[in-house]
Amino acid sequence: DTAVSQTPKYLVTQMGNDKSIKCEQNLGHDTMYWYKQDSKKFLKIMFSYNNKELIINETVPNRFSPKSPDKAHLNLHINSLELGDSAVYFCASSQVRTSGKADTQYFGPGTRLTVL
Amino acid sequence: GQNIDQPTEMTATEGAIVQINCTYQTSGFNGLFWYQQHAGEAPTFLSYNVLDGLEEKGRFSSFLSRSKGYSYLLLKELQMKDSASYLCAVPNQAGTALIFGKGTTLSVSS
Repeated sequence: DTAVSQTPKYLVTQMGNDKSIKCEQNLGHDTMYWYKQDSKKFLKIMFSYNNKELIINETVPNRFSPKSPDKAHLNLHINSLELGDSAVYFCASSQVRTSGKADTQYFGPGTRLTVL
Repeated sequence: GQNIDQPTEMTATEGAIVQINCTYQTSGFNGLFWYQQHAGEAPTFLSYNVLDGLEEKGRFSSFLSRSKGYSYLLLKELQMKDSASYLCAVPNQAGTALIFGKGTTLSVSS
């Protein structure tokens, strides 16, 4: 009955490689997100996506790209991995935003990416 | 833009009460969230305040003052399992993401 799931939980790879992280939610939510949490535990938005629009944080390198095969999935592809990409990546989802209120985001368990 | 400030670390003992403060500056306001994150785990939702005042949920309460740009999370009857990071967050102006503070790491000792 997992709400938001991610695979893999751990990912160790070499610089320059291309890798993907998968995310699935079974909450029936319309919006999904990717966040990056660095070594100082600071959680920052990378992307938000629903079936209408992709919002990209302008600070995210274009080596990172989200791909959504359907409403329940939002995968993260990373090309030409760099040492600085090492972090924990969290997927999250929420219902469509209601006017005047923000919707609670539910997080997946995270993927710890280590680039060697 | 959005800016959030909260203390980096706090310590407390079992059974005590602790208050974790959060101040924010936003372009527009659409509520404030508190999340709990245990080491190596995902952030989990604790509370959402959009109106002024105190909201109580068991041992945890959250307070909001919109005029002061201030919120706090109050934890009562502390338990060892409450040792975690507590993250204050507000929606960005477009409402497309949460902007998180750097988190307050709470250590509860016996």
